Amino acid sequence: DQQVKQNSPSLSVQEGRISILNCDYTNSMFDYFLWYKKYPAEGPTFLISISSIKDKNEDGRFTVFLNKSAKHLSLHIVPSQPGDSAVYFCAAIGTGGGNKLTFGTGTQLKVEL
Amino acid sequence: DGGITQSPKYLFRKEGQNVTLSCEQNLNHDAMYWYRQDPGQGLRLIYYSQIVNDFQKGDIAEGYSVSREKKESFPLTVTSAQKNPTAFYLCASSTASGGYNEQFFGPGTRLTVL
Repeated sequence: DQQVKQNSPSLSVQEGRISILNCDYTNSMFDYFLWYKKYPAEGPTFLISISSIKDKNEDGRFTVFLNKSAKHLSLHIVPSQPGDSAVYFCAAIGTGGGNKLTFGTGTQLKVEL
Repeated sequence: DGGITQSPKYLFRKEGQNVTLSCEQNLNHDAMYWYRQDPGQGLRLIYYSQIVNDFQKGDIAEGYSVSREKKESFPLTVTSAQKNPTAFYLCASSTASGGYNEQFFGPGTRLTVL
């Protein structure tokens, strides 16, 4: 049972344009969400997070939006750069979860010149 | 330089053999985690430890074992009971498990069973 879903396995965007990566979740006990970026044969690196008490969090070119009623979050990258090409994972933590992360299946982003 | 190290980067094992993957962190983190990643899938939690000498099973613990004798070390043993051990294994750590703290990941070990 996939509690965190990333329905787009891949996304291709032109350099300078906006990249929008989507994530849906089913467990209403999730109340903290994170995005990680992963290059091949490396460990994921933390990008940005959002608490369920917020609907938006911004950090430079990265903005995460949370729609609790729809159980949906998205990561916006603007402007997209070739170095952003990687796999992006959405992850969630439940209340009292002891920092146990539940990951989505990832979206491969390719930023083309 | 603070961080998480995993060794070796690539590991080959014959079917039926146990193998131990190393994970060391010098971030002074209390909590440590093991995940595996398979193609087209997200990271799945194998085991985690919130404090020395204590650990809990994750979602896919069968065929694996761990120990946490030191704060900085959390080795994972892939036993012969693990039916499909070929995967990319990732170790992570975080500060105290209360609250919401990001996890920091090591570079991973790719295990191939021949």
